[in-house]
Parts: sequence; C-alpha cells; structure tokens
Amino acid sequence: AQSVAQPEDQVNVAEGNPLTVKCTYSVSGNPYLFWYVQYPNRGLQFLLKYITGDNLVKGSYGFEAEFNKSQTSFHLKKPSALVSDSALYFCAVRDGGGYNKLIFGAGTRLAVHP
Amino acid sequence: SQTIHQWPATLVQPVGSPLSLECTVEGTSNPNLYWYRQAAGRGLQLLFYSVGIGQISSEVPQNLSASRPQDRQFILSSKKLLLSDSGFYLCAWSGRPGEMLFFGSGTQLSVL
Repeated sequence: AQSVAQPEDQVNVAEGNPLTVKCTYSVSGNPYLFWYVQYPNRGLQFLLKYITGDNLVKGSYGFEAEFNKSQTSFHLKKPSALVSDSALYFCAVRDGGGYNKLIFGAGTRLAVHP
Repeated sequence: SQTIHQWPATLVQPVGSPLSLECTVEGTSNPNLYWYRQAAGRGLQLLFYSVGIGQISSEVPQNLSASRPQDRQFILSSKKLLLSDSGFYLCAWSGRPGEMLFFGSGTQLSVL
C-alpha cells in the first residue's frame, strides 16, 4: 500500500535561513508526489508536484522539492524562509488504485521566527 | 477558471441531529470529487470519492454518507451526528489523472 511519512511534527527556523521539511514515501510503481500548505482554518493550497522528469521541482512561493528515488524521499526546501511561511505542510502520494486519490502524511508545522 | 465552493464555513450541531454539507465546483466538467476529514489540525483522512453522478465510494466505515446528485455537486450527510464526527471537513476536486487536487476552504464542524 502507498504511504508517506513526515518524521518531524514541527520545524523551527529563523527568518532568512534555509528550510527543509522532510517526507519519505513508500509506493509500488512510479510515485506521484505532492506538497500542500495549510494556513489556520483554511483549505489546502497546492505547492508543487513530481510526476516524472527533473528531480528538482520548483513550485509556488519560492518552494522547491527534491525527489530522491534511492532514498525514497521528497523533501520540501526553500533557500530563505519568511515569517509568512509559517504554516502546516503536507506531503502526499497518489494512491495506486487510481482515481487520483491522495494519501497524506501527518503534516509538519513550520515555525519561522523573526 | 475553476473554483470550488464549500459551505458553511463553521457549524455547531447537537449530538443526534442531521448534517448536510455541500460542495460545488465551477468551470470544469466531470471532475473527480472527494471528501476529506482533518482531525485536530493534522492529518487528512479520505472519507468518500466520486468519479461521476451517483457514483460514490466509501473509504472508511462511519456514520456519514455522501451523494452526488449533479455533476459538480457533492454532499456529505449524516442522519444522526456523533461527538466523534467533529472535525474539519474538506471537499476537493481533480481533473485528469496525475493532476493535483484542488481544495475548498473547509467546514469546521463541532458536535456538542
């Protein structure tokens, strides 16, 4: 069965420093991987996805993610964090059964301090 | 452009009362539709999905049901709410295979 793991409940980073939010996956076949962000009491906003192609995927708001097949990881990164990046981040993988069902990780809360 | 509407934004209901949450999508046809529940501001659990009118698949056994009476309308219902039904409910849609899901703004349901 497809699954994703986000090993960190919370990540703390100082404004201006680089940030990484970790995600590992387990799939049978080729993975379809996604990152979403959620602000308080709001729906999820799509950041980026990996389907095929370059291992470094660029997304919205300056975020990027690196797909590593050998480590089965899809970590979210940003070179310089902003206080406004503080939110809940979800990694997701498409369910192998089709219909575009997404299986989400437990989420990682990112706190960027001034 | 496509938009997704979900209402109400917040809802407080007594235990044992019925529930109806509605979601509509504009600007696309024959979307896949999904209901997710998020407990305590963390992980999301897929409750139902639909690939067409009248076609509903349930992912987990529960006190809730879903219906799709029109192509771009998805409704989440319950005849009698339980305390454990409290949570943040999110509707989403997707188009072609491999596309991302687009989420509505969510409904915060409190069952008291």
